Amino acid sequence: AQSVTQPDIHITVSEGASLELRCNYSYGATPYLFWYVQSPGQGLQLLLKYFSGDTLVQGIKGFEAEFKRSQSSFNLRKPSVHWSDAAEYFCAVGAAYGNKLVFGAGTILRVKS
Amino acid sequence: DTEVTQTPKHLVMGMTNKKSLKCEQHMGHRAMYWYKQKAKKPPELMFVYSYEKLSINESVPSRFSPECPNSSLLNLHLHALQPEDSALYLCASSQASRNQPQHFGDGTRLSIL
Repeated sequence: AQSVTQPDIHITVSEGASLELRCNYSYGATPYLFWYVQSPGQGLQLLLKYFSGDTLVQGIKGFEAEFKRSQSSFNLRKPSVHWSDAAEYFCAVGAAYGNKLVFGAGTILRVKS
Repeated sequence: DTEVTQTPKHLVMGMTNKKSLKCEQHMGHRAMYWYKQKAKKPPELMFVYSYEKLSINESVPSRFSPECPNSSLLNLHLHALQPEDSALYLCASSQASRNQPQHFGDGTRLSIL
């Protein structure tokens, strides 16, 4: 069965510093991968998705992610973090059947000024 | 602004009440979803509708009753809920084919007294 692991429960970075959030997946075939962000009191917003092709994917709000099949990873990066990026970030993989997403446990990002 | 609209934003109800949560989308999506999210946890899938037919029920208790009156609307009828049902209820929609990105509403914060 598919699974997603986000090893970091919390991450704190300084404003203006670079960011990398880790995501590892388990999936037998080529995965469909997603990153979502959730601000307090809001729903999930899609940041970016990977289906196939170029392994470096650009998303909204200056985020990018790199798919590495050899490492089963899909890490999210941003070169310079803004205070408004403080939120919870979820990595997800499309399930092998049905319209289902398998979510990781999430990483809470704190930004210090 | 979110393209998936959920009402109400907040709901407080007693364990004997009957209430409904509503979700509406106008993106032409033919798959719609209900999720339950507890604090600091990822969303948990409850139901999936595809072309207005229930395609997935994740063994949800019968006190939750979904309804999809048309391709734009999704309801969740609530009856005799328990305190542990207090959570954020999220609606999402997507294209009906597999592994399409899901678009989420901002949710209904439900509290059971």
